[in-house]
Amino acid sequence: EIVMTQSPATLSVSPGERATLSCRASQSLGSNLAWYQQKPGQAPRLLIYAASTRATGIPARFSGSGFGTEFTLTISSLQSEDFAVYYCQQYKEWPPYTFGQGTKLEIK
Amino acid sequence: EVQLVESGGGLVQPGGSLRLSCVASGFTFSSYTMTWVRQAPGKGLEWVSFIIGSSRDIYYADSVKGRFTISRDDAKNSLFLQMDSLRAEDTAVYYCARDVDNVTPDYMDVWGKGTTVTVSS
Repeated sequence: EIVMTQSPATLSVSPGERATLSCRASQSLGSNLAWYQQKPGQAPRLLIYAASTRATGIPARFSGSGFGTEFTLTISSLQSEDFAVYYCQQYKEWPPYTFGQGTKLEIK
Repeated sequence: EVQLVESGGGLVQPGGSLRLSCVASGFTFSSYTMTWVRQAPGKGLEWVSFIIGSSRDIYYADSVKGRFTISRDDAKNSLFLQMDSLRAEDTAVYYCARDVDNVTPDYMDVWGKGTTVTVSS
């Protein structure tokens, strides 16, 4: 099973600043990685797939990068609606799909 | 509008059973791999099961294998999760999600709002 590790667990950033979230895989994924955003009481929402491709309707301030075992989600200028929990998910090997434990992005 | 709507959650005693349903609309349901993902209170996302669109192959997480059964009725645009021998640790919000790939499960681009299952005496 591929283990996904996200860091940090919590990230405090001021609106308008840049946020950088990390995700590490226990073995190489190539680019088979997705990022999701989840707000309280809501379902997850797909942000990024194939490590760096934005999903339909996702603003350009969200960007993904990385390959292999190290991946990054960057939000270039934080808006109030961006404060949420972010999960990475690998789909290189299954079963199982595996998710990271999440990074909570909070307002500083 | 592409939509998934789950139902069937509730309070059940340990050892009991529950059947979750997910009704799809706005897309050709039979063409897609469908997945169940759950989230325990205050915890992260955990994949539960999927049924591949093209082959109808089925896979389960080890934590539910032998207790949960996934199925689908393409004529009714519906996905199901039969949950037996429920345990306290199965308490979670259960999400139905659409996978983008019909052959090889990838990532999930459409999610329902979830249905809550509570296992408690």
